[in-house]
Amino acid sequence: QKEVEQNSGPLSVPEGAIASLNCTYSDRGSQSFFWYRQYSGKSPELIMSIYSNGDKEDGRFTAQLNKASQYVSLLIRDSQPSDSATYLCAVNIRRAGTASKLTFGTGTRLQVTL
Amino acid sequence: NAGVMQNPRHLVRRRGQEARLRCSPMKGHSHVYWYRQLPEEGLKFMVYLQKENIIDESGMPKERFSAEFPKEGPSILRIQQVVRGDSAAYFCASSPPVGGAYNEQFFGPGTRLTVL
Repeated sequence: QKEVEQNSGPLSVPEGAIASLNCTYSDRGSQSFFWYRQYSGKSPELIMSIYSNGDKEDGRFTAQLNKASQYVSLLIRDSQPSDSATYLCAVNIRRAGTASKLTFGTGTRLQVTL
Repeated sequence: NAGVMQNPRHLVRRRGQEARLRCSPMKGHSHVYWYRQLPEEGLKFMVYLQKENIIDESGMPKERFSAEFPKEGPSILRIQQVVRGDSAAYFCASSPPVGGAYNEQFFGPGTRLTVL
């Protein structure tokens, strides 16, 4: 079982629709969760962080965390062509002495179509 | 702009040569992380450093790879006797000195290493 799992996609949504990206993680003791956006050939860009169960909203982005189900998701409202990128889920998996190491999923490629 | 800086952005080496990748963290950040991204693969953690200390090197290959973050100057990831399999994008990230597991990590532009 992978430590952080994402569907590789591509996830195709029409412009203006809601894109829903999902991520599951294996370690129940994980403490913090991050979503990064990565355009082809570029570096990851942090777009959301979430630490507590529930929803966290920032502009068109909403992160959702359910620790009981070990599930974290990212919703993108009013999707734009510029949102087309790979979205990486990252988890701080708690292990003794490695409090700040991030473990990444392989990413979901999002395509927003006109 | 006080973002994470990496250089060089592109590096070409022949098999057997050494590669040195540099990273300067964001202003006010004292924690540095190195990650590697192989073509069509995810980001893999390599090493986590604070000034003059290696905190976690669990992702570093046992041979040929080393990292340092001296008291003065950038963090350096050093790859000796490079092989074609080392060709990848190497990203550095930094985070502030407080916050522990809640620290957000910000990435630099990366160094793309090509081994001929």
